[in-house]
This record gives sequence, C-alpha cells and structure tokens, in this order.
Amino acid sequence: GAVVSQHPSWVICKSGTSVKIECRSLDFQATTMFWYRQFPKQSLMLMATSNEGSKATYEQGVEKDKFLINHASLTLSTLTVTSAHPEDSSFYICSAPRKSQPYNEQFFGPGTRLTVL
Amino acid sequence: GENVEQHPSTLSVQEGDSAVIKCTYSDSASNYFPWYKQELGKRPQLIIDIRSNVGEKKDQRIAVTLNKTAKHFSLHITETQPEDSAVYFCAASLRANNLFFGTGTRLTVIP
Repeated sequence: GAVVSQHPSWVICKSGTSVKIECRSLDFQATTMFWYRQFPKQSLMLMATSNEGSKATYEQGVEKDKFLINHASLTLSTLTVTSAHPEDSSFYICSAPRKSQPYNEQFFGPGTRLTVL
Repeated sequence: GENVEQHPSTLSVQEGDSAVIKCTYSDSASNYFPWYKQELGKRPQLIIDIRSNVGEKKDQRIAVTLNKTAKHFSLHITETQPEDSAVYFCAASLRANNLFFGTGTRLTVIP
C-alpha cells in the first residue's frame, strides 16, 4: 500500500514556542491532505484540509492563526502549532488520499505526539 | 457537517464470541463508510469499508452492514480473538475524502 510519513514522531516543547510537523506522501502525489487531532482516549477530530497551492480549509472551532498549514508541494504538507500551550498537547495525525476511481483511498501517517510543558 | 455517533464506548466479550459495534451518521450525502482499528499510540488501520451502493460486505471474520435509509452501519466480528482487542472507530465521508470519525469503541476480548 501507499506510504505516508510524519516527522517528528514525538516532540516536547516549552509553552509559547512553535512546533512544525511534516506530513509526506512517499510514493504518490497528494493535492489534498488532512490533519487530525486526537486527545487521549478520544476520537480523531478533523482539524483542516490542506490544499496544494491554495489556502487550507479549517473545521469549525479550529483557529487558523494558531494552526498554520502549508501545502507547498504535491508530497508535503506542514502543520505549525504556533505559541503552543499545554492544552495543545495531543496526538496529531495526517492522512492523504490516493486517487482511485470512484473513491479515493486514505492513508494515514504514523502520528506525532506533541507534549507542551 | 457530518456527525457520527458510535455505540457502545466499551465492549468486553469472551474469546470466540461475536462483537457488534454500531454507528449512525447524519449527512445523507455520505457514501463511504470505513472502519478502523487503532492500537495505543499507533495510526488507524483500515479493516473494512463499505460504499453506499452495497448493503453488506464480508472479509473473513469481519463484516459490515449498511442501512442507508436509516443512516446506520454496523461492524460485526465473529470468533473473536485476544488480538482483536483494540479501539475501533467508524467513519463517514463523501468519496473517502475528509473523514468524520465516531467516538470509538474499546473492545476487550477475554481469553
């Protein structure tokens, strides 16, 4: 199957700093990628849709100025958590759909565990 | 947007018994319904999916049923094994794009 990678796999940072998470599709091109957040013992919540070459689309309640998304190429999307606070500590997972007809196949990255001290 | 509800939140079964997890969705336009198994700290793994033009799909011990009229779908696992223990999520989407997940079911299979 297709491979999606994320980097870093885990990160610990101080409150007030910014953290960048990368999501790469390794063997296919993805014009769209999705970012999810998962708090402990909870479900995956869609945060935003990353669109190559255009602005990301954010779900209701997600602050676009806090969670900056850049989809600079067909294989890379980045999520930057700006001015991180302890409540931003979570498991962040990206996914990328590989085009197939009539439905796309979604492939998930391994996730990034963010801990904000 | 889509709202997916999932029940039960926890489920314990004896090894060899069957397990059933149910989900409902709100957006009648959704046409793709995958089920994922997630182990602690890992990415979700697709175990089975169903499209809106099919009412039932089976893959060995796992089956999924879909009732589009009632907007609900279910996961059935037969002959459960300890390695089936995990958290299971249902999801709904339009053509497998942005997925909206249910709240999850923690399945424990007791040896």
